[in-house]
Amino acid sequence: AQSVTQPDIHITVSEGASLELRCNYSYGATPYLFWYVQSPGQGLQLLLKYFSGDTLVQGIKGFEAEFKRSQSSFNLRKPSVHWSDAAEYFCAVGKPYNFNKFYFGSGTKLNVKP
Amino acid sequence: NAGVTQTPKFQVLKTGQSMTLQCAQDMNHEYMSWYRQDPGMGLRLIHYSVGAGITDQGEVPNGYNVSRSTTEDFPLRLLSAAPSQTSVYFCASSYLAGQGDEQYFGPGTRLTVT
Repeated sequence: AQSVTQPDIHITVSEGASLELRCNYSYGATPYLFWYVQSPGQGLQLLLKYFSGDTLVQGIKGFEAEFKRSQSSFNLRKPSVHWSDAAEYFCAVGKPYNFNKFYFGSGTKLNVKP
Repeated sequence: NAGVTQTPKFQVLKTGQSMTLQCAQDMNHEYMSWYRQDPGMGLRLIHYSVGAGITDQGEVPNGYNVSRSTTEDFPLRLLSAAPSQTSVYFCASSYLAGQGDEQYFGPGTRLTVT
């Protein structure tokens, strides 16, 4: 069963516009939550992660994400998108009670219009 | 540090052939893992290791073997390749096992099985 859902396969935004990428997970307990970015032909790079505490986490490249327990969501946001943000974004969870297993969403491909 | 290295970058196999995908890290990381990436499915965990001599199965282990004789190396073996194993394979490592630490990804191996 899919435990991490990214409902948007492709998103296109204009440069300078705000961005929100959605991620939902299906575990009862709070997992560890991650956002990774993958540029074409590259491996994945960590943008940010949430383990506990403040539900709004700041990451690299101006990204932030908010954990909402009531909605089982961990959406990624950026106030102003740059052309260099065009990439594929993956939400991932570390399985509760076994943080050696990680599950990735299917990814959201971001296009940025000039 | 070279980080996580993978060889080869590209490989074409015929059905039934065997091969080993190499992965090495020079960061003294305890945890190493293998993923496969298929379009629309994100990354799926194949096998992982929490230290030398210790490996375990992930989400999609069938058709793959691993071993971890040293901290640095974590090879992935395909004993009898099948077209369904056509994919991009990523190796990743993190400092501590069981902590949900950031994973560092290699550049990937693109495997085609004909």
